[in-house]
Amino acid sequence: TQLLEQSPQFLSIQEGENLTVYCNSSSVFSSLQWYRQEPGEGPVLLVTVVTGGEVKKLKRLTFQFGDARKDSSLHITAAQPGDTGLYLCAGRSGNTGKLIFGQGTTLQVKP
Amino acid sequence: DAGVIQSPRHEVTEMGQEVTLRCKPISGHDYLFWYRQTMMRGLELLIYFNNNVPIDDSGMPEDRFSAKMPNASFSTLKIQPSEPRDSAVYFCASSYLGGELFFGEGSRLTVL
Repeated sequence: TQLLEQSPQFLSIQEGENLTVYCNSSSVFSSLQWYRQEPGEGPVLLVTVVTGGEVKKLKRLTFQFGDARKDSSLHITAAQPGDTGLYLCAGRSGNTGKLIFGQGTTLQVKP
Repeated sequence: DAGVIQSPRHEVTEMGQEVTLRCKPISGHDYLFWYRQTMMRGLELLIYFNNNVPIDDSGMPEDRFSAKMPNASFSTLKIQPSEPRDSAVYFCASSYLGGELFFGEGSRLTVL
């Protein structure tokens, strides 16, 4: 059974602080995605990483895929209250459509 | 495009009743997924379809759960009989192979 473990599960920080969320597995993934979910809505894609060691940046968000394609991290610089939400990593193995999600990290950024 | 459409948004029912959740995927997407989300277990994959054919239903909790996709534009998830532990938000999502999943707004089910 493929499992994705995210840490931390909950994070409450002040506006302007930096943070990192981790997503780890013992399985190798062909690609990994990060989603953000707000209350009452479905998750929305932030980024897809497919190559080991790949780094992608979206404004203040930096995503990294581990060299062995078993883990990933999301780093947010100078967090803002608008970053508050549930962050989910999701992995896909091989050439299948199946996407497995981690438990998620609930982020609260206080003004 | 209107996105993935789910109905109902909210359902409150009594234990033992049948529940049917509906989903209209984005036109042209060949994958459809049903997920269940709870605080305790997060977002769990129940079943997914490719070109209307169920590919992996290993996440379906038990025989009380069934899912169908009679055509490319419609899918149902049925629970019969429902139990309080089935209370959760059920999401439908669709995608192309290897692509981004587009989620509906979810159906919040409460079984009393």
